[in-house]
Amino acid sequence: SAVISQKPSRDICQRGTSLTIQCQVDSQVTMMFWYRQQPGQSLTLIATANQGSEATYESGFVIDKFPISRPNLTFSTLTVSNMSPEDSSIYLCSVGAGSGEAFFGQGTRLTVV
Amino acid sequence: GENVEQHPSTLSVQEGDSAVIKCTYSDSASNYFPWYKQELGKRPQLIIDIRSNVGEKKDQRIAVTLNKTAKHFSLHITETQPEDSAVYFCAASIGGNTPLVFGKGTRLSVIA
Repeated sequence: SAVISQKPSRDICQRGTSLTIQCQVDSQVTMMFWYRQQPGQSLTLIATANQGSEATYESGFVIDKFPISRPNLTFSTLTVSNMSPEDSSIYLCSVGAGSGEAFFGQGTRLTVV
Repeated sequence: GENVEQHPSTLSVQEGDSAVIKCTYSDSASNYFPWYKQELGKRPQLIIDIRSNVGEKKDQRIAVTLNKTAKHFSLHITETQPEDSAVYFCAASIGGNTPLVFGKGTRLSVIA
């Protein structure tokens, strides 16, 4: 299994500002995944982050809005840029076990006012 | 890409009754099907999973069945308890280090 430390756990931000979310994994992993969970909704994949290469974004998500860094095999950040109230969601990072099983960080509950 | 449909969106059962949640998937290459339970304000927690080479798996009061031909899988919870109340998500992936595609979730309420 993998233990993921994600921070901040929650934040309230002003519209137009940016927030960077960090995830630290207790073991080296090839890929990390970032998900968004809008209020009352399911988890939607934002992007896949590989170490040493550009993140791969899903349809509807762009790098300018959600820049991702992956400087090494245990760490990744997701920035939510130029925020608006519609960005209010829970953001979760996740890693795979190689067997398909996924492990999640605690989540970041973002409220944009 | 993969699309996962989940039904029902809400489910209320009396304590002690059984609950069944059903999911269908579209990508025949998918071979890993987990179920997650998410309590309010918490991250999703894996409760059971099944792989494509297995038709059924059971863990105490929880069981999952998979029909690869029909591309559907189901979660069965027997003898439900109030602490089973949560949102349940099914998901699918092609395994390995690939991301999960989630269903829309089922809000289960167990009434004491």
